[in-house]
Amino acid sequence: NAGVTQTPKFRILKIGQSMTLQCTQDMNHNYMYWYRQDPGMGLKLIYYSVGAGITDKGEVPNGYNVSRSTTEDFPLRLELAAPSQTSVYFCASSPPTELYGYTFGSGTRLTVV
Amino acid sequence: GDSVTQMEGPVTLSEEAFLTINCTYTATGYPSLFWYVQYPGEGLQLLLKATKADDKGSNKGFEATYRKETTSFHLEKGSVQVSDSAVYFCALLMDSNYQLIWGAGTKLIIKP
Repeated sequence: NAGVTQTPKFRILKIGQSMTLQCTQDMNHNYMYWYRQDPGMGLKLIYYSVGAGITDKGEVPNGYNVSRSTTEDFPLRLELAAPSQTSVYFCASSPPTELYGYTFGSGTRLTVV
Repeated sequence: GDSVTQMEGPVTLSEEAFLTINCTYTATGYPSLFWYVQYPGEGLQLLLKATKADDKGSNKGFEATYRKETTSFHLEKGSVQVSDSAVYFCALLMDSNYQLIWGAGTKLIIKP
């Protein structure tokens, strides 16, 4: 049972480059989320999805895009990387109930130089 | 709106000391409450939870009781170890939108 899998674990991008952070879950969870965590800070919600084909903006969506074509996958796209996007990115998933909380991936550490 | 307030860190204790990390919440309904732990360089892991008033969540020697009258969910441990050094996040989840509302996190440092 893999849970939530994120790839890559580390990445260095140059300013203006693009990349996709991958997230896959095998728990058949409806809900999926992308967070960023800046050094010494808490979590900020970037985007979330309540099911395949449905996505919505979180607190800090600018500079990012997402898609949800399947229940399992929720990739996060950075189109024009900026130094302000240097952060650790976490993907999470949950069932549609308040009883269980979220399951998190291990994170992607992104540096934009 | 709904919110979670945690005590500011870092909290520094000696090994075998008693730990309390305060967490209070504001919510319009009856949320579920969670503590997550983030060890250095790792992702967040669910530590414990409570889904209704007076429930006690417990795991790895940590406990927290859902107190509706004081809107609190304080994390406690009787005897901390160096391996407990981590950042602890309190969070609430409403059944209206299933989005976790996070506290800012409290860094715990345990010295041998």
